[in-house]
Amino acid sequence: GENVEQHPSTLSVQEGDSAVIKCTYSDSASNYFPWYKQELGKRPQLIIDIRSNVGEKKDQRIAVTLNKTAKHFSLHITETQPEDSAVYFCAASSNNAGNMLTFGGGTRLMVKP
Amino acid sequence: NAGVTQTPKFQVLKTGQSMTLQCAQDMNHEYMSWYRQDPGMGLRLIHYSVGAGITDQGEVPNGYNVSRSTTEDFPLRLLSAAPSQTSVYFCASSWRTGEAFFGQGTRLTVV
Repeated sequence: GENVEQHPSTLSVQEGDSAVIKCTYSDSASNYFPWYKQELGKRPQLIIDIRSNVGEKKDQRIAVTLNKTAKHFSLHITETQPEDSAVYFCAASSNNAGNMLTFGGGTRLMVKP
Repeated sequence: NAGVTQTPKFQVLKTGQSMTLQCAQDMNHEYMSWYRQDPGMGLRLIHYSVGAGITDQGEVPNGYNVSRSTTEDFPLRLLSAAPSQTSVYFCASSWRTGEAFFGQGTRLTVV
């Protein structure tokens, strides 16, 4: 089955700096790659996603890049703010696995004011 | 729209007890799933369903049962609770491809 690795597990940045979180996946059939943000005690919520026919997608301060050949994708957050502090999860899914999501282990992002 | 609703929010069980975690969605999504979240391990898929009457196992199915008699409901049953099942459980629903919407979670402690 699919295996998703996520790095780093913790990331501390100064407010205004950029943050980058990286994920690799194992199943070449995976075709959908969402990123979720989870605040303490809350449910995961989608912040951005990308499909395998696209190399990059941007939404204001957030961008995701996908390299299908290398089987890795990354989340980029620019001009970080204290409210960006949370745990971020990457995930991958493919038609082979009923389109169910396989999640990475998560990255705890701390933005220091 | 309520989205995905899970009950209860908190539960304490004794080892060996059984219980059912409820999940309901009002978005007419085909796909529903259950995940457990343990510290440092992300979310792991327990069981999932691609439509009423159809269920399948995920990564960590042992000790859990599911059924999907309607599009809206997808209950998760713990047959005989064990301390290793102490976790936060999330139900999610989605269309065939696209965003998964999560319930608010159930924090389960087995003593």
